[in-house]
Amino acid sequence: AQTVTQSQPEMSVQEAETVTLSCTYDTSENNYYLFWYKQPPSRQMILVIRQEAYKQQNATENRFSVNFQKAAKSFSLKISDSQLGDTAMYFCAFMTHYGGATNKLIFGTGTLLAVQP
Amino acid sequence: KAGVTQTPRYLIKTRGQQVTLSCSPISGHRSVSWYQQTPGQGLQFLFEYFSETQRNKGNFPGRFSGRQFSNSRSEMNVSTLELGDSALYLCASSSQTGEVTQYFGPGTRLTVL
Repeated sequence: AQTVTQSQPEMSVQEAETVTLSCTYDTSENNYYLFWYKQPPSRQMILVIRQEAYKQQNATENRFSVNFQKAAKSFSLKISDSQLGDTAMYFCAFMTHYGGATNKLIFGTGTLLAVQP
Repeated sequence: KAGVTQTPRYLIKTRGQQVTLSCSPISGHRSVSWYQQTPGQGLQFLFEYFSETQRNKGNFPGRFSGRQFSNSRSEMNVSTLELGDSALYLCASSSQTGEVTQYFGPGTRLTVL
């Protein structure tokens, strides 16, 4: 069975600084997707970034980038120039791909990020 | 495009009752997945529907059921409610045309008294 582990329950960062959130996963599959979602106090789940396992290049979206290490089964999220609006719970998620997406996301337990002014 | 919508947003029920939650996916999306979020268990996959067929099911009792209509709208039903069913229920849709990302609705907060 696939599992996703986020070992940092809470983190804090100063505004404008950089922070990295950790995520490891366990799977025997070769084809899969990895995601980072954020859930602000409104509870709306918002996609931050996505990575396909077959792509070696790390995904980037503006201030958000990932460090994908397939052999180590590690998928960390780096947030640059942190903003107050980045304060949220961040979830790492995994989805297998059996010739088509399974549409079953497996989530980690989340990291609560607080951006301090 | 309008996002995923869920109704109602808040619901209070008592033990033993049943409840139906509704989810309208993004226009053109044919896959709808449901998740339960609780402080104790985190985010757990309930089931996924595609073209009115359940394709995938999580590890939940048979009291949890769902269906999908021809317009891709989906409903989730929980019968014989228990206190432990109190949770945020999230619905997500995806297009299934090369795009695997799931887009989430705002959720329905269910409280069972």
